[in-house]
Amino acid sequence: EVQLVESGGGLITPGGSLRLSCRASGFTFRDAWMSWVRQTPGKGLEWVGRIDSNLDGGTTDYAAPVTGRIIISRDDSKNTLYLQMNSLKTEDTAVYYCARGGNAFDIWGQGTMVTVSS
Amino acid sequence: YVVTQPPSLSVAPGQTARITCGGNNIGSKNMHWYQQKPGQAPVLVVYDDRDRPSGIPERFSGSNSGDTATLTISRVELGDEADYYCQVWDDRSFVVFGGGTKLTVL
Repeated sequence: EVQLVESGGGLITPGGSLRLSCRASGFTFRDAWMSWVRQTPGKGLEWVGRIDSNLDGGTTDYAAPVTGRIIISRDDSKNTLYLQMNSLKTEDTAVYYCARGGNAFDIWGQGTMVTVSS
Repeated sequence: YVVTQPPSLSVAPGQTARITCGGNNIGSKNMHWYQQKPGQAPVLVVYDDRDRPSGIPERFSGSNSGDTATLTISRVELGDEADYYCQVWDDRSFVVFGGGTKLTVL
């Protein structure tokens, strides 16, 4: 079964750091471009960033609101995508989804909730 | 780059729903559409303007020209009630989502 499973969300105070993980199964992860998309409760979707496959260079692109505060990485040996978030702000509170693709996203995880609050 | 969707649309069962997404010369970009039901992750229903992923009914179709892209849902069913998001790639903004349209099936 093709699947993405996120983990690592939780409650964090402003200024803190958090690393989210996304474990992939059912497809060739190393060939896939992968992305993170977030959704503030009750609001719309917001792209966070993406990482190319290592075969395509493994380069990353980030959305303007998070540039300089996040790092997306991958471990193909573990079929896992990561999102390292630093200097967290209250406005980073959202459900974070990992998704397969660098543009159109055809597989999504169930999401993990990140709450930034004092 | 900004894409604009109407916040809501209501249609009766069996009718046709047309959800629009507007943007400057959006027809020059590849448009993708997602369906999201409450408490669930989004699902890709149309990609590259008019292609459907495996498992998506033919009732879902897309078009994209000029400044407007349209997701058309024919013979609307109660199960189609959801939020629908359009999405494009822009060289400066990268991935851009529309604000979403809440489809209500009356």
